[in-house]
Amino acid sequence: AQSVAQPEDQVNVAEGNPLTVKCTYSVSGNPYLFWYVQYPNRGLQFLLKYITGDNLVKGSYGFEAEFNKSQTSFHLKKPSALVSDSALYFCAVRGWGSARQLTFGSGTQLTVLP
Amino acid sequence: DADVTQTPRNRITKTGKRIMLECSQTKGHDRMYWYRQDPGLGLQLIYYSFDVKDINKGEISDGYSVSRQAQAKFSLSLESAIPNQTALYFCATSAKYEQYFGPGTRLTVT
Repeated sequence: AQSVAQPEDQVNVAEGNPLTVKCTYSVSGNPYLFWYVQYPNRGLQFLLKYITGDNLVKGSYGFEAEFNKSQTSFHLKKPSALVSDSALYFCAVRGWGSARQLTFGSGTQLTVLP
Repeated sequence: DADVTQTPRNRITKTGKRIMLECSQTKGHDRMYWYRQDPGLGLQLIYYSFDVKDINKGEISDGYSVSRQAQAKFSLSLESAIPNQTALYFCATSAKYEQYFGPGTRLTVT
């Protein structure tokens, strides 16, 4: 079975500071990894994905994530946080082959303080 | 995402009533999904469909059924609603990797 852990329910960071939202995963074989963001009263929006290739992937709105196979992690990062980045962030994983659906983490509420 | 629409956006219903949530997409994707979101639990997959003739149960399908009327339409039904089905419901589509989500339906069962 595949699973995702987001160990922090809430992350607070000051505007202009770097931010990190943590994610670890468990899956058979090589993973497909994703980050989504949810703003209030909206559906989830795709931010970025790792399929294969470079371990550092860049996505929308200046976000990036680093795939670390040995630590089974896929942490979301941004060098300088904006107040408008405040939202709920979800990490998701999908295995290759027969596991055709995404498994989501429980979400991390990011609050960027002005 | 305007390419994936859900109706209704909000619904309050009583225990025991049958209710249908509808999803339409203009992205031309074959794959469609229904999820429910509960606070602190993330998204849980209810059903998914890889084409009109391919429908599969997700991790929490009990109490739900689906219909894939066309490539663009995927409906979720609660045959006899119960209060613990109160949640936010999302439809999503995908071509290969990332999924695209509708705006959600907030369902309250009293």
